[in-house]
Amino acid sequence: ETGVTQSPTHLIKTRGQQVTLRCSSQSGHNTVSWYQQALGQGPQFIFQYYREEENGRGNFPPRFSGLQFPNYSSELNVNALELDDSALYLCASSLDQGSPETQYFGPGTRLLVL
Amino acid sequence: QKEVEQNSGPLSVPEGAIASLNCTYSDRGSQSFFWYRQYSGKSPELIMSIYSNGDKEDGRFTAQLNKASQYVSLLIRDSQPSDSATYLCAVTLDRGSTLGRLYFGRGTQLTVWP
Repeated sequence: ETGVTQSPTHLIKTRGQQVTLRCSSQSGHNTVSWYQQALGQGPQFIFQYYREEENGRGNFPPRFSGLQFPNYSSELNVNALELDDSALYLCASSLDQGSPETQYFGPGTRLLVL
Repeated sequence: QKEVEQNSGPLSVPEGAIASLNCTYSDRGSQSFFWYRQYSGKSPELIMSIYSNGDKEDGRFTAQLNKASQYVSLLIRDSQPSDSATYLCAVTLDRGSTLGRLYFGRGTQLTVWP
């Protein structure tokens, strides 16, 4: 157990809908990163939040957005869902943008877009 | 483009053999190197990190780094069926806005048969 939780575990949506995925970080971890892992691929960095501000973004369109809250929880929002958004979404929390050795992944949310 | 390349496999070895997993990266600014193990349907789990040229051993695992050749490898000695998983290579640049951001390869699927 990493102390990082994600909800829901699985989700089915249709194209064009909107989805919100949630992550609860380890207590005290002020940094959360979100990754998208398509089937058969490695995780791809979406963005990172540090102390409730976006702090770096990967090659994802603006319809991917996020929020981080003072209670160490965070959200990933995806608007106008496309079929290619079907993937495992992972959050990883850490302290002060630290090394991956102190970055803990949650179990992921598997999203299927039909 | 921060490309990390891995042979997708699958790699199949008998129990007790040495499994050798390879990874190359394109960005010479890469500073830190990691190997993750991912069981089917689960999130990645960090198993090795290496920061300087040479070998690093941890139990049955040995990571090897050659920055001149932009090459990192993972050796698993005395492979066990429980080692059957996808192994992800990841790098970080450790600078500026990319701090803590992991760039993953697509992973190598390893099967250890009894």
